[in-house]
Amino acid sequence: QQQVKQSPQSLIVQKGGISIINCAYENTAFDYFPWYQQFPGKGPALLIAIRPDVSEKKEGRFTISFNKSAKQFSLHIMDSQPGDSATYFCAASMTMNYGGATNKLIFGTGTLLAVQP
Amino acid sequence: GAVVSQHPSWVICKSGTSVKIECRSLDFQATTMFWYRQFPKQSLMLMATSNEGSKATYEQGVEKDKFLINHASLTLSTLTVTSAHPEDSSFYICSASLSGDTQYFGPGTRLTVL
Repeated sequence: QQQVKQSPQSLIVQKGGISIINCAYENTAFDYFPWYQQFPGKGPALLIAIRPDVSEKKEGRFTISFNKSAKQFSLHIMDSQPGDSATYFCAASMTMNYGGATNKLIFGTGTLLAVQP
Repeated sequence: GAVVSQHPSWVICKSGTSVKIECRSLDFQATTMFWYRQFPKQSLMLMATSNEGSKATYEQGVEKDKFLINHASLTLSTLTVTSAHPEDSSFYICSASLSGDTQYFGPGTRLTVL
């Protein structure tokens, strides 16, 4: 299956709190899992990405936790700020060996995060 | 680095006309460019994959005669919506990549067809 299931659909967090967004996949051939942040009327921006050989990756306030056996991965935003209010998309891709060409991304359905001051 | 631009950022056209959207990688040469479509409050839907100098590969259900893609150089890809109709109104986003997994997205183009 090529789907990536994302939850929750929307999330409200108080300033300073932890935002957690979850994604699940079926295809064990997926080997790259990025998270994108999108503000209204703008294109998505890459936040952080992980590969299956590690269980966690942290960049600043953003952490990806990866559970290969459960085929799940999540984004944690620590000390959430009002400026983090945006839509977050998880995605997955698999190495297709197109002779160096880029692999297609399969996107989750998105999570609208609102951080209240 | 890794900046992708799109032009125009928004366009309004009359039904039946054609609209061209440009996608440029400003500081790197993109082996592959992708075109996505996004409806309000929905996820990104891949329309086609474009490799420089070759024909684009379209996703199932995307009409290649309606959405013409040209990838003439390593820094420029264009999407032409031919004979646009109101149902083609959407947010069109391109992405570009050197190789491998990382895609860098453009700011998007809002198309409104009257």
